[in-house]
Amino acid sequence: GAGVSQSPRYKVAKRGQDVALRCDPISGHVSLFWYQQALGQGPEFLTYFQNEAQLDKSGLPSDRFFAERPEGSVSTLKIQRTQQEDSAVYLCASSHEGPSTTQYFGPGTRLLVL
Amino acid sequence: SQKIEQNSEALNIQEGKTATLTCNYTNYSPAYLQWYRQDPGRGPVFLLLIRENEKEKRKERLKVTFDTTLKQSLFHITASQPADSATYLCALEDSNYQLIWGAGTKLIIKP
Repeated sequence: GAGVSQSPRYKVAKRGQDVALRCDPISGHVSLFWYQQALGQGPEFLTYFQNEAQLDKSGLPSDRFFAERPEGSVSTLKIQRTQQEDSAVYLCASSHEGPSTTQYFGPGTRLLVL
Repeated sequence: SQKIEQNSEALNIQEGKTATLTCNYTNYSPAYLQWYRQDPGRGPVFLLLIRENEKEKRKERLKVTFDTTLKQSLFHITASQPADSATYLCALEDSNYQLIWGAGTKLIIKP
């Protein structure tokens, strides 16, 4: 596609619900990143894939967060048993090579946990 | 680990003037530093990348400098326009080779 797309754009969840956020990267991009962005803050790194391999998940805040990219293209970020502190914008980015190259971002999914 | 500081207060600039934004980092000098623009409700958009051996980089009305002695990068927009109003983020590589980000500075260009 022309750019990185994410769905849904907005998600309201009740505390304790599971959510799944989808990212469609730019076709052919090897690397895919997930970030969490709180209001008024910069993005915070969550996890990084190179093709289907999850090479770095050091930023995932707890074991309730899980990400996958089974075929090296579309990725899903799953949050189990959501908590209010999970409310944030979740950004997905892709790049042609590794983390040091330009990253192209999607519009983000705004998650609100009530 | 590396920390990045950007002015948290909004920067108000008159149209036509030069806007200068600052990005300071605390620890080792990274191999490169990037600047992004973010509009409300959208993801960041890449603007410029500057490497540690480059003192200055230009792109149209944009100029970035990188001073590894001061541990600082400056981002300049000359002949600013209201359409330049946005939040500008700097990002650099951390020890685990991932990007870490400043909180961004909101720039407001007044007509």
